[in-house]
Amino acid sequence: GAVVSQHPSWVICKSGTSVKIECRSLDFQATTMFWYRQFPKQSLMLMATSNEGSKATYEQGVEKDKFLINHASLTLSTLTVTSAHPEDSSFYICSARDSGGGHYNEQFFGPGTRLTVL
Amino acid sequence: QKEVEQNSGPLSVPEGAIASLNCTYSDRGSQSFFWYRQYSGKSPELIMFIYSNGDKEDGRFTAQLNKASQYVSLLIRDSQPSDSATYLCAVNSAGNQFYFGTGTSLTVIP
Repeated sequence: GAVVSQHPSWVICKSGTSVKIECRSLDFQATTMFWYRQFPKQSLMLMATSNEGSKATYEQGVEKDKFLINHASLTLSTLTVTSAHPEDSSFYICSARDSGGGHYNEQFFGPGTRLTVL
Repeated sequence: QKEVEQNSGPLSVPEGAIASLNCTYSDRGSQSFFWYRQYSGKSPELIMFIYSNGDKEDGRFTAQLNKASQYVSLLIRDSQPSDSATYLCAVNSAGNQFYFGTGTSLTVIP
C-alpha cells in the first residue's frame, strides 16, 4: 500500500514553455501533498505544501506565480512550472501523507520527475 | 539552529560491518521519527519509523530513539554494498510539521 505515482518521469522542454507534473496517491487519500526539488548531490528542498481544496503554502524564496500548485482532489496534486528556464532544471519529487489514520504522519514519495529545460 | 541535523558524511564501512547513522532534532515535542533511504537519482523510500523511546528492529535495521537527548539513530547490521545510499532522517514535530535532515551518505566497501 501507500503508493504515490508521478507523471511524467522525465521531461525535456524549451525555455519559456510551461510544464505540468502530476502527483497521485494510488491507494490512499491525501489531504496534504508536498513538492520538493533536488539538485544534483544536494538535499531535498521543500518547495510547497499542497492542501486539498485550498491554496498551497509556499516556502520562503519559492515563487508562487512561477510554480503553480493545484490540489483539486484527495488523490491528485499538480505542479506547473511556468515559463521554465534552464535554472529550473532539477529533480522534482512529490510526497503524500495518508489522511486515513493508522499511520504516524509518514510521507510516501513519488518516483520523481526529472525536468530538463533547454 | 536547524530542526533536524545529520552528519553529511561520507560514511564508509566495510561489507559486513555495522553502519551507524545519527540524527538530532530541536523540537522536544516531536512525535514521530523516520528514516528514508535515497539512492542516487531516485526518490526517498521509507525504511523505518519509530515513535517510542528505545529500539525498534526490522531485519538488519535498528532504529533507536532517545527523546530526552533528542537523538535518533539507525543501525545497519551486516552492511551490504547495496546499502550504499544517502540516508535521510525526518521528524514530525509537535506542530505537525515534517522536517528532513540533509542526509548522510553511506558507502559500503566490498
